[in-house]
Amino acid sequence: ETGVTQSPTHLIKTRGQQVTLRCSSQSGHNTVSWYQQALGQGPQFIFQYYREEENGRGNFPPRFSGLQFPNYSSELNVNALELDDSALYLCASSPTGLNAGPVVAFFGQGTRLTVV
Amino acid sequence: AQKITQTQPGMFVQEKEAVTLDCTYDTSDQSYGLFWYKQPSSGEMIFLIYQGSYDEQNATEGRYSLNFQKARKSANLVISASQLGDSAMYFCAMREGGFKTIFGAGTRLFVKA
Repeated sequence: ETGVTQSPTHLIKTRGQQVTLRCSSQSGHNTVSWYQQALGQGPQFIFQYYREEENGRGNFPPRFSGLQFPNYSSELNVNALELDDSALYLCASSPTGLNAGPVVAFFGQGTRLTVV
Repeated sequence: AQKITQTQPGMFVQEKEAVTLDCTYDTSDQSYGLFWYKQPSSGEMIFLIYQGSYDEQNATEGRYSLNFQKARKSANLVISASQLGDSAMYFCAMREGGFKTIFGAGTRLFVKA
């Protein structure tokens, strides 16, 4: 068990709605990143937060946004949900800051989002 | 651009035998990290093993070893003495610098009794 916890584990939303997913980082980890994993594919990087600031973003539209809190927990918000947003959303935490070099990211169990 | 290629969509192995899962990568950076993760049907990505680009020795973690061939840009995972619980998706991944990790498409491993 990694110590990274995500909630909820499953969620069903209607197209056009908004959703918030939550992640608690492993103790001592100040960096959190979010990934989208569509069925049958590898995870795709959405963005990363370090000390409450976004410091990297993948190829996702602005309706995907996030927050990191002083205790390093994090939220992923998705507005105007589309059917293609249906996926497993994974949160990962790591004990690193900016330009600290490659380190291991530890993942939570994910939130499975279904958009109908 | 960073890229991870896993050419084996599915692999079968007999229980107690060894299996090699292939991974090739592409990067222009000198400093990077290579990872293997296991994803059971529950969805959680479980870290297995890490190899730094400057590490001269191949990484080993219990039954897992990483066959790192830098000149060929390959980082194959070797699982020895396969167990039924090893049946899962396996992802090769690469991380450059401080953030994003790039994943391959994955290999589904089936361990037969």
